[in-house]
Amino acid sequence: DTEVTQTPKHLVMGMTNKKSLKCEQHMGHRAMYWYKQKAKKPPELMFVYSYEKLSINESVPSRFSPECPNSSLLNLHLHALQPEDSALYLCASSLGQMNTEAFFGQGTRLTVV
Amino acid sequence: GQQLNQSPQSMFIQEGEDVSMNCTSSSIFNTWLWYKQEPGEGPVLLIALYKAGELTSNGRLTAQFGITRKDSFLNISASIPSDVGIYFCAGQLYSGGSNYKLTFGKGTLLTVNP
Repeated sequence: DTEVTQTPKHLVMGMTNKKSLKCEQHMGHRAMYWYKQKAKKPPELMFVYSYEKLSINESVPSRFSPECPNSSLLNLHLHALQPEDSALYLCASSLGQMNTEAFFGQGTRLTVV
Repeated sequence: GQQLNQSPQSMFIQEGEDVSMNCTSSSIFNTWLWYKQEPGEGPVLLIALYKAGELTSNGRLTAQFGITRKDSFLNISASIPSDVGIYFCAGQLYSGGSNYKLTFGKGTLLTVNP
């Protein structure tokens, strides 16, 4: 199994909603990442978890709250988002944070209305 | 932060032609990666380069890690329609503590006309 699975694939939410994005991998990878990608732009790093501990937070607003319940799962909790937060949210994993052969999921296309 | 200059921004080529794209930086990177992203999908890793001067092939794709560690190129030979997509270079740099961060180039949009 060499997949990173993200759910849902598409999400539309209002600015007062609370929702969560989920990411799962069963490759035994110990580093997991959240990226945000706007149309025709490169992915931008948001968070890095290494061995289930938050390693990097790229000054992301608190309306985005990551969680790593175990080594296979990564969640991104969303609350009180703004329309400009609409983007493709990508999850990735790698063997360790020092190993950069990161595998990406398909992404969740988020639209905030 | 580190900046990666990726060129060209877009390419329109005929099927069968060869393609070349490159990334340059003012910073030295430990690792260079090349990804391809198709619409509605996440980036897929094509080639990883770990040593200065390293030349690596993956089928019709060839990539090199520049000697100065500040640049990399990707070549695609005999292009086919399914090569269409956005190609991103990415460089990794040790940023202190246990932190390694990937910086992505802005991407090269490749269109292949049958």
